[in-house]
Amino acid sequence: AQKVTQTQTSISVVEKTTVTMDCVYETRDSSYFLFWYKQTASGEIVFLIRQDSYKKENATVGHYSLNFQKPKSSIGLIITATQIEDSAVYFCAMRENYGNEKITFGAGTKLTIKP
Amino acid sequence: GGIITQTPKFLIGQEGQKLTLKCQQNFNHDTMYWYRQDSGKGLRLIYYSITENDLQKGDLSEGYDASREKKSSFSLTVTSAQKNEMAVFLCASSIPGEQYFGPGTRLTVL
Repeated sequence: AQKVTQTQTSISVVEKTTVTMDCVYETRDSSYFLFWYKQTASGEIVFLIRQDSYKKENATVGHYSLNFQKPKSSIGLIITATQIEDSAVYFCAMRENYGNEKITFGAGTKLTIKP
Repeated sequence: GGIITQTPKFLIGQEGQKLTLKCQQNFNHDTMYWYRQDSGKGLRLIYYSITENDLQKGDLSEGYDASREKKSSFSLTVTSAQKNEMAVFLCASSIPGEQYFGPGTRLTVL
């Protein structure tokens, strides 16, 4: 069964710095998909970025990038030049192979950006 | 673009009551999901559906039923509400690759 673990419950950094959030996963599939989502204080959840397991290049979208370490079953989210509005809870998620639409989420990491 | 609508926004019920939550999407997505989020916690999958009239159980399906009579709508029923059960129920729809979430229904059981 698939499992997603985020061990950092909360992180606090100063604005304009870089932060990394960790996520490890368990799967028996050779092909899978990894996602990061952001939940703001209002409760809204938005998709941020995705990594397909067969791709060796780390995904990058705006000031979000991923550190995909397949041998370690690890997918870290890196946010560069953080801004106050990046304060939110960040969830890691995984979907196993094609045809299986079940998506499993981690427990989330609360990120606080201080001025 | 599209939108996911969840009704009601707030739901207050009595212990033992059967309660129904509704979700509508106009993305024309095939797959829809129901998640439960307890305060300060992550999302736990209750049910999902890959097409009209399809239902797949998630990790938290006990105590819940679901219905997908149309592609655009997905309903969740709490079969017997538990006292002190407080959570936000989130509906989502997806294309292969990413999910779009609704604003949630906040449930309180008295």
